[in-house]
Amino acid sequence: QKEVEQNSGPLSVPEGAIASLNCTYSDRGSQSFFWYRQYSGKSPELIMSIYSNGDKEDGRFTAQLNKASQYVSLLIRDSQPSDSATYLCAVSLNGNAGNMLTFGGGTRLMVKP
Amino acid sequence: SAVISQKPSRDICQRGTSLTIQCQVDSQVTMMFWYRQQPGQSLTLIATANQGSEATYESGFVIDKFPISRPNLTFSTLTVSNMSPEDSSIYLCSADGSRENTEAFFGQGTRLTVV
Repeated sequence: QKEVEQNSGPLSVPEGAIASLNCTYSDRGSQSFFWYRQYSGKSPELIMSIYSNGDKEDGRFTAQLNKASQYVSLLIRDSQPSDSATYLCAVSLNGNAGNMLTFGGGTRLMVKP
Repeated sequence: SAVISQKPSRDICQRGTSLTIQCQVDSQVTMMFWYRQQPGQSLTLIATANQGSEATYESGFVIDKFPISRPNLTFSTLTVSNMSPEDSSIYLCSADGSRENTEAFFGQGTRLTVV
């Protein structure tokens, strides 16, 4: 049973703070890891992808992957009210399965002005 | 990144009827995927749509209820058959590239309400 676990939140942070979102996964064969942002009533929007251990930075976003601990996280620096959304962690075995994604339940982030 | 057009964006349907959702990608992709997102829930994979073969369904989803077509490398349809109110969800398609580590992108989604 492939599982991806996230704290459902809501995670509330003040504007300008760092928001830290966490995700664990059960399948050690997982190769690709994604963070999607989903605003209410909208489809998921890809924020970050990460494939190897360590950190990957893109603007205010940093994804961290630790395959030994089966843990992936997303840090949002200088959080803005517009970052308020549900963040979905998704994992893929990749390879022949392509990007068939298993999603976590999502963490709702609230950034307060 | 691929651009995925999905339609209809929303529909209200009578129970017992069927709705076909279309997904068009602006480039050729190897695999396409159909997901369901029930109210307040995360996304659950329904099936993988491969060109030239039958779709592969996940546990809990069957072809009679969710027939899928994949006639070419840029297009797929999902039909929700004999609908009941429990089928009210957002249905999303995503497309995958032909290379490893190509991110999956989503269409705009179809918000279905069954009354």
